[in-house]
Amino acid sequence: QKEVEQNSGPLSVPEGAIASLNCTYSDRGSQSFFWYRQYSGKSPELIMSIYSNGDKEDGRFTAQLNKASQYVSLLIRDSQPSDSATYLCAVEGQGFSFIFGKGTRLLVKP
Amino acid sequence: EAGVAQSPRYKIIEKRQSVAFWCNPISGHATLYWYQQILGQGPKLLIQFQNNGVVDDSQLPKDRFSAERLKGVDSTLKIQPAKLEDSAVYLCASSNRAGANEQFFGPGTRLTVL
Repeated sequence: QKEVEQNSGPLSVPEGAIASLNCTYSDRGSQSFFWYRQYSGKSPELIMSIYSNGDKEDGRFTAQLNKASQYVSLLIRDSQPSDSATYLCAVEGQGFSFIFGKGTRLLVKP
Repeated sequence: EAGVAQSPRYKIIEKRQSVAFWCNPISGHATLYWYQQILGQGPKLLIQFQNNGVVDDSQLPKDRFSAERLKGVDSTLKIQPAKLEDSAVYLCASSNRAGANEQFFGPGTRLTVL
């Protein structure tokens, strides 16, 4: 059974701090990795995608991928109260299988 | 560019009744996905279409769920008969696989089965 694991949280950080969200996956053949943000009562929206080992930066967001360790993370710098949401890790495995983790709830306190 | 459209937004039915959801993807997106999201969990893929062909329906409960995507554009997901455990948000997403498989989600349909 292919799995994507995330700590459910909540992860609480003060405003202006760095929030670090982590995700592990079981399918070693996975090729594509995504982070989605989901506000309560809303649908997921794509924040970042990453396909190769290393870091990918987009504004305040940095995605990190380590395929050897089957680990992907999302860093949010200068966290804002508006970043408070559930962050979903999604992995596209072999054969177009697409699996989401359960999400990590992030709370940014003013 | 218009986003993914879904209807209805909310539906309340009694168990053993049937229900249908509609989705219209972003124009030009060949790939369409239906997800089920139960409260507190991540979206679970039910079925994936590439144009009007099924790519993956391994997690679709085929005894009660069915989906079709006629003409490779909009899609319908049906549940018949519904069970209490089908209460969830049903999300439709689309992507353009010509590039990266980045999915764009519609607003979802919240289903309550009583």
